[in-house]
Amino acid sequence: GAGVSQSPSNKVTEKGKDVELRCDPISGHTALYWYRQRLGQGLEFLIYFQGNSAPDKSGLPSDRFSAERTGESVSTLTIQRTQQEDSAVYLCASSTQRGTPYTFGSGTRLTVV
Amino acid sequence: ILNVEQSPQSLHVQEGDSTNFTCSFPSSNFYALHWYRWETAKSPEALFVMTLNGDEKKKGRISATLNTKEGYSYLYIKGSQPEDSATYLCASIAGGTSYGKLTFGQGTILTVHP
Repeated sequence: GAGVSQSPSNKVTEKGKDVELRCDPISGHTALYWYRQRLGQGLEFLIYFQGNSAPDKSGLPSDRFSAERTGESVSTLTIQRTQQEDSAVYLCASSTQRGTPYTFGSGTRLTVV
Repeated sequence: ILNVEQSPQSLHVQEGDSTNFTCSFPSSNFYALHWYRWETAKSPEALFVMTLNGDEKKKGRISATLNTKEGYSYLYIKGSQPEDSATYLCASIAGGTSYGKLTFGQGTILTVHP
């Protein structure tokens, strides 16, 4: 597609429920990243996929968070048993190779009530 | 841990003023520095990617410089306009195992008043 597409754009969920966020990167972009921004904080790295290499999961805050990517296409970020501190804007980005600029999606605003 | 810091945290200027922000990053194992502009209700948009010490980039009224030896970058906006109001983010990539992963600063929130 023309840009990075994320869905849903907004999600309100009850504490304890599972949520799944989707990211569709730009075709041909081998690298895909997930970040989040909690209120008043900077962009926090979560996970990074590069081609067929093992993903860099070093930013996932707990084992409630997981992400998958099918080949070089769609990625899903799953948060199990959501907590109020999971409320944030979750941003996905893709790029062609190391050091090239990211193209960001418009984000998913997750609110856990 | 790679810490990227930006200052000031926020800035209010009048239309027509020129302004600048600072980004500092660890100079060891440096690979690249990115600047992004993030307008409200939009996606962050790449402004510059800088890799070489002494690099200078320019896009219209916005320019940036890079000093990799001392670990800082400056972003300059000449003749600020209200449409420049946004959060400006810098981010650094280290070499080695951090392949491709950007570490972002907290951002500088710029508000340009008409």
